[in-house]
Amino acid sequence: GAVVSQHPSRVICKSGTSVKIECRSLDFQATTMFWYRQFPKKSLMLMATSNEGSKATYEQGVEKDKFLINHASLTLSTLTVTSAHPEDSSFYICSARTSGSISNNEQFFGPGTRLTVL
Amino acid sequence: AQSVTQLGSHVSVSEGALVLLRCNYSSSVPPYLFWYVQYPNQGLQLLLKYTSAATLVKGINGFEAEFKKSETSFHLTKPSAHMSDAAEYFCAVSETGANNLFFGTGTRLTVIP
Repeated sequence: GAVVSQHPSRVICKSGTSVKIECRSLDFQATTMFWYRQFPKKSLMLMATSNEGSKATYEQGVEKDKFLINHASLTLSTLTVTSAHPEDSSFYICSARTSGSISNNEQFFGPGTRLTVL
Repeated sequence: AQSVTQLGSHVSVSEGALVLLRCNYSSSVPPYLFWYVQYPNQGLQLLLKYTSAATLVKGINGFEAEFKKSETSFHLTKPSAHMSDAAEYFCAVSETGANNLFFGTGTRLTVIP
């Protein structure tokens, strides 16, 4: 149980285009989802936290108009990188948690999406 | 404020040797502490977590970690390294349970045959 998937696993796009990444909780309802960015040989940096049905909360320094997050249902959150540029190339990882008692102290991570902007 | 320091960005051990990955934390309240493992081009997998119960926490794949409040440490150990343990390991702290995880910079474990 507690599986999180991401799609696509890898995407290459041209500079100036927008890219959408999906994060799904497959077997539980995710009341909260998180989006992280991981630079090569670096740690994960939290970009934003989203709760189902409400606006995402962005971390300091993260452009909300650049990285659009939608958490429209309890099993799906999307991250759209708008007008992507080469510096947006990175590994994007989502995670999800539920308010259920079993997993109350744990985030479940997706496998990540490798974005390369040419 | 909460933070995590992982000493040693790269640790090499021989197959069968003890694995010790260090993690020190800073937290203004009793923390929740986590160790995650990441294999190349994959997401993070939880190894174990400390949530104010037993100070010695046993996780998957033979790993364990001990919470030492006096040393503000949560070091990860495994008695005998296996080739399949080669990966990146992240320590994380949270003051609020599953929200607001703060990650260390990671330690890459190499296992030498």
